[in-house]
Amino acid sequence: GEDVEQSLFLSVREGDSSVINCTYTDSSSTYLYWYKQEPGAGLQLLTYIFSNMDMKQDQRLTVLLNKKDKHLSLRIADTQTGDSAIYFCAESPPSGTYKYIFGTGTRLKVLA
Amino acid sequence: EAEVAQSPRYKITEKSQAVAFWCDPISGHATLYWYRQILGQGPELLVQFQDESVVDDSQLPKDRFSAERLKGVDSTLKIQPAELGDSAMYLCASSPLPGLAGNEQFFGPGTRLTVL
Repeated sequence: GEDVEQSLFLSVREGDSSVINCTYTDSSSTYLYWYKQEPGAGLQLLTYIFSNMDMKQDQRLTVLLNKKDKHLSLRIADTQTGDSAIYFCAESPPSGTYKYIFGTGTRLKVLA
Repeated sequence: EAEVAQSPRYKITEKSQAVAFWCDPISGHATLYWYRQILGQGPELLVQFQDESVVDDSQLPKDRFSAERLKGVDSTLKIQPAELGDSAMYLCASSPLPGLAGNEQFFGPGTRLTVL
């Protein structure tokens, strides 16, 4: 079956903006999520967007949603070294169980 | 702040042995999830509980994996016998009743399993 796809690596300089992209599989997914995972740790929810929205901004984070192309992006403004982590997008198709399907993850490295 | 607890944090075992992982969700969370995360990949759902009932175990290798949540609170995931390919991080998550805005899942720190 189809996978939720993300690019594997992204490297940016401290202070620049980072844009992490995701292509999901089910156009009827109600919610789409971005999670952050630091080394050896569990996942932490950063933000989510409801499918009837095009954009959501939360402090340094901006989420853009293109339902037609099933494309989701996360922009981190003024990227800091503490933002270095793996970022996962996840979709929640209307399966009745609200399960998540995670992407493969994008490893963000922030250079000082 | 309430957190999902998991133990042990690390487990090394030999193939063909039995292993068990424990998870205590955030108090009051009705839904509990077990995920397997292979190195370099995203988490994959193994089993989902609503209270004490299994609502999705379609990806659980039932010949060797079992999961229970007898009283609808904490949960145990067991592997018997372990195989080399089971080496992974096992993540537990919980959420309030589904249907709430965002249905955020809260993750524990995980158990890293190494099978030798």
